[in-house]
Amino acid sequence: SQQGEEDPQALSIQEGENATMNCSYKTSINNLQWYRQNSGRGLVHLILIRSNEREKHSGRLRVTLDTSKKSSSLLITASRAADTASYFCATDAGPGTALIFGKGTTLSVSS
Amino acid sequence: GAVVSQHPSRVICKSGTSVKIECRSLDFQATTMFWYRQFPKQSLMLMATSNEGSKATYEQGVEKDKFLINHASLTLSTLTVASAHPEDSSFYICSARDYPQETQYFGPGTRLLVL
Repeated sequence: SQQGEEDPQALSIQEGENATMNCSYKTSINNLQWYRQNSGRGLVHLILIRSNEREKHSGRLRVTLDTSKKSSSLLITASRAADTASYFCATDAGPGTALIFGKGTTLSVSS
Repeated sequence: GAVVSQHPSRVICKSGTSVKIECRSLDFQATTMFWYRQFPKQSLMLMATSNEGSKATYEQGVEKDKFLINHASLTLSTLTVASAHPEDSSFYICSARDYPQETQYFGPGTRLLVL
């Protein structure tokens, strides 16, 4: 099962630019998390935002959550070539429940 | 942070072979582990939830007789792909939660290629 859509599916930018990815989900959530995956590799956890939070920062990452619209956004500022990867949002419905992933955005940052 | 390992990292086998993948939580106990499958250029799809000491819960469309899950201890869950066929070729990823933390830690994945 899949929770929802990421938008855009693919994004190409230049180094130094900001990258914004959006995620929509369908059901009520407990937490929303963002992960990064380099091609053919495992997942790297980026940030978790709780359902009662609206915005969270971590380094160059900024995540927002709008539960009324069932959507979240991930902003990467001052992007680097090393940020090239696929980015997934994932939601859970509460303790002990599995994370359900969105379809992902493939980000390409060229130098 | 918490670490989850998977073994093997890569498997190439002939059609009809059964393949076992191990998932271990290295520095925490996980009463619940999850198994995902990821096809090329696609997202992770939840296959099943594995609970220590009880039967796994499979997602709709996942054959429980083909994907056998055993969660024998608080640190080990295994996924056995029975009589694998080329269409089972995929990237299999396990994960576990370290309670009371809310982060779900993922293993590095096992790439299965069935010839």
